Amino acid sequence: AQSVSQHNHHVILSEAASLELGCNYSYGGTVNLFWYVQYPGQHLQLLLKYFSGDPLVKGIKGFEAEFIKSKFSFNLRKPSVQWSDTAEYFCAVNKGRDTGRRALTFGSGTRLQVQP
Amino acid sequence: EPEVTQTPSHQVTQMGQEVILRCVPISNHLYFYWYRQILGQKVEFLVSFYNNEISEKSEIFDDQFSVERPDGSNFTLKIRSTKLEDSAMYFCASRYTGSGELFFGEGSRLTVL
Repeated sequence: AQSVSQHNHHVILSEAASLELGCNYSYGGTVNLFWYVQYPGQHLQLLLKYFSGDPLVKGIKGFEAEFIKSKFSFNLRKPSVQWSDTAEYFCAVNKGRDTGRRALTFGSGTRLQVQP
Repeated sequence: EPEVTQTPSHQVTQMGQEVILRCVPISNHLYFYWYRQILGQKVEFLVSFYNNEISEKSEIFDDQFSVERPDGSNFTLKIRSTKLEDSAMYFCASRYTGSGELFFGEGSRLTVL
């Protein structure tokens, strides 16, 4: 079964610091990769996704992620975080080309706390 | 902006009682899902539903769980006889065919006493 690992459980940064959150997955075939964000008290929202093509994906709010197939990784980055980025971040994977029926497998999440 | 809506936002129930959580997916979406998140743990897949039938389910989704799309708009999750360990936030999600993005509702918090 596929699994998703997020090694950073809790990250504390100061505003303007750079961010990189790690995500590794275990499935060896074709995958679709996602980062979701959950702001306090709110629902999961999609930050960015990768299906194919350019492995460097740009998302909303200045976030980007890079798919490195050889490392089974899809790390999330942001050059300069803001206090409003305080949230929980989830990496997710589903496999295959028929994304419609495929369930997402989520990582355990990384809680990001940005201090003003 | 269209959104997935869920009711109730919070339900408290006694162990052994039946619970129905309701979801209204985005109107033109064709794939529907339930996920849950036990406090402090990861988001876990429960079930996916397409063309009026379950297309995939996890080992969590045992005989105590069922899903239904009784009309053109609602998508419900029923837990027949709740257990303490069913306490969690339950998220409904939907997607439009051909798109990879799941749109999530705000969740229904279930507390089983």
